Amino acid sequence: GAGVSQSPSNKVTEKGKDVELRCDPISGHTALYWYRQSLGQGLEFLIYFQGNSAPDKSGLPSDRFSAERTGESVSTLTIQRTQQEDSAVYLCASSLKDNQPQHFGDGTRLSIL
Amino acid sequence: QQQVKQSPQSLIVQKGGISIINCAYENTAFDYFPWYQQFPGKGPALLIAIRPDVSEKKEGRFTISFNKSAKQFSLHIMDSQPGDSATYFCAARKTSYGKLTFGQGTILTVHP
Repeated sequence: GAGVSQSPSNKVTEKGKDVELRCDPISGHTALYWYRQSLGQGLEFLIYFQGNSAPDKSGLPSDRFSAERTGESVSTLTIQRTQQEDSAVYLCASSLKDNQPQHFGDGTRLSIL
Repeated sequence: QQQVKQSPQSLIVQKGGISIINCAYENTAFDYFPWYQQFPGKGPALLIAIRPDVSEKKEGRFTISFNKSAKQFSLHIMDSQPGDSATYFCAARKTSYGKLTFGQGTILTVHP
């Protein structure tokens, strides 16, 4: 499809394990964002990639969280040594440029046992 | 620091009624205010957006009202339908920078 694609759609893992979440943005979109949505909460900004500029990592909650993006394509969000409070839906969005509307994927629902 | 406050948390409206959701922001540098609609299990979808150079924007049954001096904006859904039942998020950002700051969301239920 032509939308933002995220995988896996659901992930259940044990506390202490590492997880990797993937985002395929809309083709041609230079800006890519990661947000976290906890149960009953709004969306919390995590990280923002724009072209070749250094990413804005100001929303990452701890050094256990990291993200990479290959050029203007796929991005992966990695959470090391997962904790129960990491349980949430992780949403990825992309936009044509950073001042254009953001289009969201359906997210990865992460559950930490 | 919560920079965008949204109310109410939940809202129940009868079919055909008007749904009103309010948001207030703190950062005067914000100059783009979108509303997103989210259905269960889906990502948020852009519904309508406004910039502070206008006080109102209407698209179909959805209207945004904007009060720059009060730093408030609201979403009005006219002739609400059961299919409008969803969670609605207001958001804000600076035009020159993509990062969105979201409100806490409003769960709207429209009864038939």
